[in-house]
Amino acid sequence: DAKTTQPTSMDCAEGRAANLPCNHSTISGNEYVYWYRQIHSQGPQYIIHGLKNNETNEMASLIITEDRKSSTLILPHATLRDTAVYYCIVRVDQAGTALIFGKGTTLSVSS
Amino acid sequence: ETGVTQTPRHLVMGMTNKKSLKCEQHLGHNAMYWYKQSAKKPLELMFVYNFKEQTENNSVPSRFSPECPNSSHLFLHLHTLQPEDSALYLCASSPQTGYSNQPQHFGDGTRLSIL
Repeated sequence: DAKTTQPTSMDCAEGRAANLPCNHSTISGNEYVYWYRQIHSQGPQYIIHGLKNNETNEMASLIITEDRKSSTLILPHATLRDTAVYYCIVRVDQAGTALIFGKGTTLSVSS
Repeated sequence: ETGVTQTPRHLVMGMTNKKSLKCEQHLGHNAMYWYKQSAKKPLELMFVYNFKEQTENNSVPSRFSPECPNSSHLFLHLHTLQPEDSALYLCASSPQTGYSNQPQHFGDGTRLSIL
């Protein structure tokens, strides 16, 4: 079961890029890296996922190292609404169904 | 708006009550999930349904009874709950199970408090 390591907390100024790191050194070749975030009192929100290549969507960019042992989620212009707990998840359990959430990184965006 | 709607958002019930949580998804998905999130603990998978068939029960006590009448609706029937069952109950959906390239999309959950 691949596991992830994330910093407990990070701060970012509003309007600046937020770069959230994640280590997943035991990831297997066919396992995807997923990012979710959870804002207080809401359910987890899907952000982005990737296998090998870098990915970008309207919310964020995902940079995966060539050896796939780490990745970085980039929020290009952080806003106060991006304050949340961010979870890096390597998919998945043996049956291929559950998302295994760890403790995540609490990102605080301030003005 | 995630396309997954859960009702009610908040529920307070006594240990002897019977209540039901409802989840509806408008994403055209065929797999639906119940997760439990207790205070300061990671999400725990409870049940999985794929094309209306239950495919996983993660050793959940029988006082929790799921029901999936069709691919768009999922219920969690509750009876004789314990105080430790107080938690945020989250519903999620995905196109189908078994494909790790398909993200799950979550509702905002039902905050359950057992008196």
